[in-house]
Amino acid sequence: QVQLQESGPGLVKPSQTLSLTCTVSGGSISSGSYYWSWIRQPAGKGLEWIGRIYTSGSTNYNPSLKSRVTISVDTSKNQFSLKLSSVTAADTAVYYCAREVSTMVRGHLFDYWGQGTLVTVSS
Amino acid sequence: QSALTQPASVSGSPGQSITISCTGTSSDVGGYNYVSWYQQHPGKAPKLMIYDVSNRPSGVSNRFSGSKSGNTASLTISGLQAEDEADYYCSSYTSSSSWVFGGGTKLTVL
Repeated sequence: QVQLQESGPGLVKPSQTLSLTCTVSGGSISSGSYYWSWIRQPAGKGLEWIGRIYTSGSTNYNPSLKSRVTISVDTSKNQFSLKLSSVTAADTAVYYCAREVSTMVRGHLFDYWGQGTLVTVSS
Repeated sequence: QSALTQPASVSGSPGQSITISCTGTSSDVGGYNYVSWYQQHPGKAPKLMIYDVSNRPSGVSNRFSGSKSGNTASLTISGLQAEDEADYYCSSYTSSSSWVFGGGTKLTVL
């Protein structure tokens, strides 16, 4: 059973960089045709896809966040990470990591999600 | 990219059927059969209910079904049950090699 767990600071100051890590257990992050995504949800609002990384290291980002986002993977630790620079209060949200399946056989979906971690941007 | 458009709320009585719509553009919903639906209870992570427009993952009740026509996808829940009360989000792959979600729909079981 695959499990994902987010970790990182719960409080970040405005203009600084938000850094989160997602640890994957129950399977190797580098096996299979999976993308590893970050998704966020401000309190009381909808979900927003931030970006993803493939096991090869290739990335795709939300065009509206692209200039501030970096997603990387550390296969030796079975982790992938998110960095969001120049944060403002608008970046306050619950941040989820998720596994994305994207194959013609298995479909295109997010099948496993972390429990989410709240990050507040405030001085 | 703009969020997909969903009604803010829908409601229905136990046993009834409801449908939630999800409207996008030809660059997302209309261009790909990669629409999925997620159920989210308060304080919980989203749960996959439908993928690739109309496919149900193992373990999801057959009361949940999905469809698509043009730029609009739909989720139908039949035989409403109290446990179905939750927020529902649609999602679509886009021509920018990205994903976009809907704004979410709050389902109330009366």
